[in-house]
Amino acid sequence: AQSVTQLGSHVSVSEGALVLLRCNYSSSVPPYLFWYVQYPNQGLQLLLKYTSAATLVKGINGFEAEFKKSETSFHLTKPSAHMSDAAEYFCAVSVGDMRFGAGTRLTVKP
Amino acid sequence: DAGITQSPRHKVTETGTPVTLRCHQTENHRYMYWYRQDPGHGLRLIHYSYGVKDTDKGEVSDGYSVSRSKTEDFLLTLESATSSQTSVYFCAIQGDHYGYTFGSGTRLTVV
Repeated sequence: AQSVTQLGSHVSVSEGALVLLRCNYSSSVPPYLFWYVQYPNQGLQLLLKYTSAATLVKGINGFEAEFKKSETSFHLTKPSAHMSDAAEYFCAVSVGDMRFGAGTRLTVKP
Repeated sequence: DAGITQSPRHKVTETGTPVTLRCHQTENHRYMYWYRQDPGHGLRLIHYSYGVKDTDKGEVSDGYSVSRSKTEDFLLTLESATSSQTSVYFCAIQGDHYGYTFGSGTRLTVV
């Protein structure tokens, strides 16, 4: 069965700094990969998705992720953090149903 | 989220009572899902449906049942609520290009 591992349950960056949230996946077949963001007391919103087209995927709010098959990774980046980026981020893999990582809480310091 | 609503948004219930959560979509999508969210576990799939009266178990289905008598409604029932089922429950629909759209969640507390 497919699974994802998010490295780091909490990440803290300064405003304006690079954001890097790590995700590694396991799948026996080519997967679809996703990043979702969750703001407090809300549901999950899709940030971006990889569905076997371009390996560098651009999403909303300036985020992007790169699919690296050799490393089984799908890390999420943003060049310059904003205070409004503070939220919880979930990586997910889909081969049939969707499986989620445990989440990474991003804190942005002024 | 547009097109998918969950009810109730909050519920407190007593141990041993049955509880039903409702998910309603207006998008006419075939696939619907129930997840629970707990700290440190992300979202875990409880049950899913791939059509009217067609459902299957997810990874944490014990103590839960589901029904889907209409395309737009997917019900999750806790047959006899326990404190371990205190959680936030999310419904999702699978739209185009494999992405999911999530409801706003139901916060359930079992006392």
